[in-house]
Amino acid sequence: GNSVTQMEGPVTLSEEAFLTINCTYTATGYPSLFWYVQYPGEGLQLLLKATKADDKGSNKGFEATYRKETTSFHLEKGSVQVSDSAVYFCALSDLRSGAGSYQLTFGKGTKLSVIP
Amino acid sequence: NAGVTQTPKFQVLKTGQSMTLQCAQDMNHNSMYWYRQDPGMGLRLIYYSASEGTTDKGEVPNGYNVSRLNKREFSLRLESAAPSQTSVYFCASSPRSGQVNQPQHFGDGTRLSIL
Repeated sequence: GNSVTQMEGPVTLSEEAFLTINCTYTATGYPSLFWYVQYPGEGLQLLLKATKADDKGSNKGFEATYRKETTSFHLEKGSVQVSDSAVYFCALSDLRSGAGSYQLTFGKGTKLSVIP
Repeated sequence: NAGVTQTPKFQVLKTGQSMTLQCAQDMNHNSMYWYRQDPGMGLRLIYYSASEGTTDKGEVPNGYNVSRLNKREFSLRLESAAPSQTSVYFCASSPRSGQVNQPQHFGDGTRLSIL
């Protein structure tokens, strides 16, 4: 079945540090890949996505590249801010066996804290 | 821009009580979903509705029922609440589930505690 594995947190960084959150996946088909962000007390928001191999998704200074050869979709940002403190979820969309429709499979989430 | 609206935001129940969580979206989306979020578990799909008039089980459907009332509304019912159902519940919607690249839009969640 489909699965997503992301690095466990929490991750604590100083402001302006470089961020990498690792994400690898297992899927039977040709999934689309997503990063969602959850700020405290809120629901999940789409941060970026990539729909095919070698695509790069980007938004708000965050980037992730769809690497089919390594089945990875690592999230990066060159200089984090305090406002980036949140929980980040990696997810894939694929045809779930028996479901007849595309469904999201989420990683467990990585909590990021950025300190001034 | 309301997006996906969930009610209530917080609820405390006693074991054995029943309740319905409400969800409505104003984006004319065809597909709607219910997830639960537990510490260290990520989000797990409870039920989904690919289109109006259809519902299907997700990964963890036991103890829940759903109703797709119309295109806008998708409710989740706990008939006899158990402490194991203490969780944060999220409703989501997407334009349609038949395309691999459709992102989902989430509500702010309902925090449910069962004593």
